[in-house]
Amino acid sequence: SQTIHQWPATLVQPVGSPLSLECTVEGTSNPNLYWYRQAAGRGLQLLFYSVGIGQISSEVPQNLSASRPQDRQFILSSKKLLLSDSGFYLCAWSVLPGGEQYFGPGTRLTVT
Amino acid sequence: AQSVSQHNHHVILSEAASLELGCNYSYGGTVNLFWYVQYPGQHLQLLLKYFSGDPLVKGIKGFEAEFIKSKFSFNLRKPSVQWSDTAEYFCAVHDYKLSFGAGTTVTVRA
Repeated sequence: SQTIHQWPATLVQPVGSPLSLECTVEGTSNPNLYWYRQAAGRGLQLLFYSVGIGQISSEVPQNLSASRPQDRQFILSSKKLLLSDSGFYLCAWSVLPGGEQYFGPGTRLTVT
Repeated sequence: AQSVSQHNHHVILSEAASLELGCNYSYGGTVNLFWYVQYPGQHLQLLLKYFSGDPLVKGIKGFEAEFIKSKFSFNLRKPSVQWSDTAEYFCAVHDYKLSFGAGTTVTVRA
């Protein structure tokens, strides 16, 4: 069966520090991969999605970037964190674009 | 991108009461529709989905949803809730990307 992992589960970082959040999927090949940010009372906002290695689409201009160095690995990064980057970050995968998405456990990021 | 509206921010019910959560999206065209649920301490998971066909879809745990194309709505229902239905519920609409509503917190009192 397929599983999705995210780490770390929680992270506290100072303003201006770099960020790297990792997501890996097991049990499937060539998944579509997604990064979301969830803000309280505002649902989930799509940040990036990827249909294949090295293929990244950005939905929201911001201080973050994403990379997909391997088929089942998706990384969310920042060179310098802002206070506004605090939030709950979710990774998800799907077999097909438009199909149901399967979500990871999330990373709670607090920028201080 | 779609704008997805969920009518209620927080709903409080007693066990055995009926539940209906409203969801509307902003414009027509071909869309896929979803309800996701997040139980306390658990991952976000799929409750049910609509791609095409019968507009009344059934999901897990006795939930169902009705797609009304003319109203751009996809409302979620359950005839009799249980304490274990306490969770946050998200409506989502996919046209070229998946757009989520703000979520409804449902609290079921025993």
